[in-house]
Amino acid sequence: EVQLVESGGGLVKPGGSLRLSCAASGFTFSTYSMNWVRQPPGKGLEWVSSISSSSDYIYYADSVKGRFTISRDNAKNSLYLQMNSLRAEDTAVYYCAKKGGSGFYFDYWGQGSLLTVSS
Amino acid sequence: EIVMTQSPATLSVSPGERATLSCRASQSVSSNLAWYQQKPGQAPRLLIFGASTRATGIPARFSGSGSGTEFTLTISSLQSEDFAVYYCQQYNNWPRTFGQGTKVEIK
Repeated sequence: EVQLVESGGGLVKPGGSLRLSCAASGFTFSTYSMNWVRQPPGKGLEWVSSISSSSDYIYYADSVKGRFTISRDNAKNSLYLQMNSLRAEDTAVYYCAKKGGSGFYFDYWGQGSLLTVSS
Repeated sequence: EIVMTQSPATLSVSPGERATLSCRASQSVSSNLAWYQQKPGQAPRLLIFGASTRATGIPARFSGSGSGTEFTLTISSLQSEDFAVYYCQQYNNWPRTFGQGTKVEIK
C-alpha cells in the first residue's frame, strides 16, 4: 500500500524558514517523480514543485521560485521542501504527491502538513 | 501558463441524479487532464487521468470525456459519498495547473 506521510509544518514568522519532509513507502520511491502541492485554507489546489526520480529535473511555480528548494533522498525514501523567506500567502496545507504511472498527474497524496506564516 | 476554468462553481444535485461538471483549458492540453475529488479535511483523490481513464478503485459511475480544451466529468447517479469538491488539472505543460473547483452539494 502506498503511503506518503508529511511532517515539519508549523507556525513561522514572516521571513522565516521551515523544511517539510515526506516519508514514502509501499512503492519503489527511486523510480518516480515526486511533487508538492499546496492548498491555502478554504481555497483551491496549487502545484508548487516537482522533482524527477534522480533529481535531474526540478520545476517550481513562479510564486515560490528562488525561495523554495525541493530535494529528495532515495536511500531514505524521503522528499523534502526547504522554504525560505516565508510570506503570509505561503500559509497552506502542503501535500506530498506521487507522479502517476502514465503521466504527470498525482495518483497518491499524503494527508498534508499545515504551514502557518504569521507574526 | 494554462488557465483551467471549471463550471459551475457549485452544483446542487439530488441523490440518484446525474451530475455534469465542466473544465475548460485556455489552450490545448491534448488528453493530459486529470480529475480529483476532495472531501472536507481530506487529501484529494485521483478519479480520472488521461481525460477518460478511471483510476484504480474508482466506481464506474464516474466517467470523463473530452480532449483539447473542453472536458467533462460525469457522475451518472450521485451517491451520498460523492458530495465533495472536484478539481481538474492539466499536465500537458509547466506549470501544472488546477481549476478552481466545483462543489457538488446536496439539493
